Amino acid sequence: AQRVTQPEKLLSVFKGAPVELKCNYSYSGSPELFWYVQYSRQRLQLLLRHISRESIKGFTADLNKGETSFHLKKPFAQEEDSAMYYCALTGGATNKLIFGTGTLLAVQP
Amino acid sequence: DGGITQSPKYLFRKEGQNVTLSCEQNLNHDAMYWYRQDPGQGLRLIYYSQIVNDFQKGDIAEGYSVSREKKESFPLTVTSAQKNPTAFYLCASSWSDPSDTIYFGEGSWLTVV
Repeated sequence: AQRVTQPEKLLSVFKGAPVELKCNYSYSGSPELFWYVQYSRQRLQLLLRHISRESIKGFTADLNKGETSFHLKKPFAQEEDSAMYYCALTGGATNKLIFGTGTLLAVQP
Repeated sequence: DGGITQSPKYLFRKEGQNVTLSCEQNLNHDAMYWYRQDPGQGLRLIYYSQIVNDFQKGDIAEGYSVSREKKESFPLTVTSAQKNPTAFYLCASSWSDPSDTIYFGEGSWLTVV
């Protein structure tokens, strides 16, 4: 069965500290992995996807097929990074997204 | 202004009543989706449609119904059969390719009183 697991409901760090939001998945084929972010009072939006191999707002995520993980990382957290982060996957013939339960990142000053 | 528009933003409903949430997009996207967002449970897929006049059940379709008569519109009806309808509902759309970005509306808060 397709599943996305985000083990941390809340991650609190201080400004300037490294951040790693964990995401593990189970999927029988070759999935597409994404990170979506929801800032306060804003709509859910795409942060990055694994096929682009890009860095957005200082965040990166590497797909590790051996560990079935897609952790989101940033070397130095900023207060404006505080938001809800969702890991998601899609695959097969449809592009319906399967979401994890989300991790709330709180960056303290 | 292009994008996805959901209405109403806030809605109160009495138990036993059906309610319809509107979702319109002017992005010319083929696919549209309805998700439900509950605290601690993330987003769960209710229904999705990849093409006009066709839609499929998601993971939690019971108590909901949809229609896709026009490409730009994908209304969701929350029926009285839905046992826990109070939630935040998100509509989304995308192109058909599985790797394409999915764009979300601002959401609709439904409260059953």
